Order: sequence, then C-alpha cells, then structure tokens
Amino acid sequence: GEKVEQHESTLSVREGDSAVINCTYTDTASSYFPWYKQEAGKSLHFVIDIRSNVDRKQSQRLTVLLDKKAKRFSLHITATQPEDSAIYFCAASNGYQNFYFGKGTSLTVIP
Amino acid sequence: EAAVTQSPRSKVAVTGGKVTLSCHQTNNHDYMYWYRQDTGHGLRLIHYSYVADSTEKGDIPDGYKASRPSQENFSLILELASLSQTAVYFCASSGLGVSAETLYFGSGTRLTVL
Repeated sequence: GEKVEQHESTLSVREGDSAVINCTYTDTASSYFPWYKQEAGKSLHFVIDIRSNVDRKQSQRLTVLLDKKAKRFSLHITATQPEDSAIYFCAASNGYQNFYFGKGTSLTVIP
Repeated sequence: EAAVTQSPRSKVAVTGGKVTLSCHQTNNHDYMYWYRQDTGHGLRLIHYSYVADSTEKGDIPDGYKASRPSQENFSLILELASLSQTAVYFCASSGLGVSAETLYFGSGTRLTVL
C-alpha cells in the first residue's frame, strides 16, 4: 500500500520567516494530497490540498508544491505567525477515499 | 460547518474489558473513518465505512471491530482491550467523489487501558 513519509518531525522558525515541510509518497496512483493542522490538544482540520493535475496551489500564506516525478510534495508557509504553531500532517489518496498520513511535523514559531 | 461528535472524550479501561467508542456526524456524509493516533506514528486507519450496515478494514484492524448501523453513526469496538490499544482515537467523515474528499474530524477520544 501507499507509504507517506514526512521528513521533518520538528521545525522551529522565527516569526515572520518561512517554513517548509516536505513529504514523499510511494504510490504513483496517488492523485490527491491534503494537509491537515492539529493545534495543541485539539483535533485536526483541513488547511490546503493539491491534486495531481497541477503542480502548485496557493491559499493566502500557504502554498503547496507537487513534483510527481519525484513523488514529493511540500507545504510552504510564508510570514509565519505564532498561531501557525501546530502539528502539520500531510496525506495522500488514490481517489478511492483511502487516506495515508505522514507522521506529522511539529512546527514552532518563535515570537 | 460539518460536525462530527465523538463520545466519550476520554476513557480508562481495564485490560480484557470491552470498550465502545461512538461517533455521530450530521454532515450527511457517506464515508466515515476511525483513525488511531500514536506519538511517532501519525494517524493510522483502523476501519472505515461508505454505507450503512457495511464496514471495511483499514491498515490496522486487528483487535478492533466496527459497526455502522446508520449513515450518521459509526462505532469502534474493542472486545478485549489491551495495553497496546492505549492511544487517541479520531473519527472522521467525508463526502463522496472529487471535491468532497475533505475529512472532518471529531475531537478525539483519549483511551487509556490499564
């Protein structure tokens, strides 16, 4: 089955700097790549996604890049703020409603 | 806003006991999922369902059963709880098809097996 690796388990950045979280996947049939955010002590909620028919998607300060050849996708957060501090999970799906998650990256934004 | 409600929020169970975790969604979603979260493992899929009265095994189904008696309700059952099942459990729901795949998560159930 699909395996999703999330390369950074922890990441610390200064407020205002950019943060990048990288993920790789193994199944070439994966076509949908969402990202979820989990704030301390809370549940997960959706932040942004990308489909395999595009290689870049931006939503405000968040950008997702997809490199299908390398089977790699990444989340870029610009102008980080303390409220961006959370655990971020990447996931991959082959379109049949099965989602495979990475282990999570704990992002700390230092004021 | 889609709503997924889990109960209980936390539970302490004894080894060998039976545990039932409940999930209720008001999103009119077809798909419901049970995930387990452990430190260092991220989220792993236990069981899922795409229609009432039918459940499917996920990646780590051993030691768990699931039940979906209606579109709105999805339960996870641990018949004989074990120490290794101590974890946080999340229920989620999603729609069907492209542009409906966003997962809506419940607030989680922290299960401690002693």
